[in-house]
Amino acid sequence: EVQLVESGGNLVQPGGSLRLSCAASGFNFNIYWMSWVRQAPGKGLEWVAKMKEDGSEKYYVDSVKGRFIISRDNAKNSLYLQMNSLRAEDTAVYYCARDGGVVGKFDYWGRGTLVTVSP
Amino acid sequence: DIVLTQSPDSLAVSLGERATINCKTSQSVLFSSNNQYYLAWYQQKPGQPPNLLIHWASTRESGVPDRFSGSGSGTDFTLTISSLQAEDVAVYYCQQYYRTPPTFGQGTKVEIK
Repeated sequence: EVQLVESGGNLVQPGGSLRLSCAASGFNFNIYWMSWVRQAPGKGLEWVAKMKEDGSEKYYVDSVKGRFIISRDNAKNSLYLQMNSLRAEDTAVYYCARDGGVVGKFDYWGRGTLVTVSP
Repeated sequence: DIVLTQSPDSLAVSLGERATINCKTSQSVLFSSNNQYYLAWYQQKPGQPPNLLIHWASTRESGVPDRFSGSGSGTDFTLTISSLQAEDVAVYYCQQYYRTPPTFGQGTKVEIK
């Protein structure tokens, strides 16, 4: 059974940093693109970043470029999102999702971890 | 970026009746080499992550009830729930995966009338 479990969400002050983790199991993590997708409270879905299986390609939504870094450790079946210079508008539930490719649908999702950016 | 516009924003349907959700893309999401529309539909129930229902605009995921169907062409797509059940109360999103960044519609909330 495919499982994605996010962790690391917390309350952080504006300008602060946070590192999210996603532990994957039940599938061959090494051969899949992975993405982070976020959802602000009461709002819709917004894709944030994606990474190729070997780490050679990364893409970001414009609003996080230069502030967020996606990474992975295939030996640990884990995906990460380093979030720096956090802003109030980054407040959201962050989901880890298995991605179909450079252009892919999201076929499995974790339950998410809440990031709150507030003084 | 490709913009997806869903309509309506919300709808209330009686149990057993049909629910129809529309999604319009700002440009074509048809990949000519395989003649597939790179359009997916998700269901998100309260307090849960999204769940992929349909990809390639009309291909149901394994385990998805056949009362859910997707259709469309060009830049206009539709998700139909043929006979609404109580467990279908949710927000439904369309998503294009034709081009990065992948983008979502704003969501359509389906309730019981």
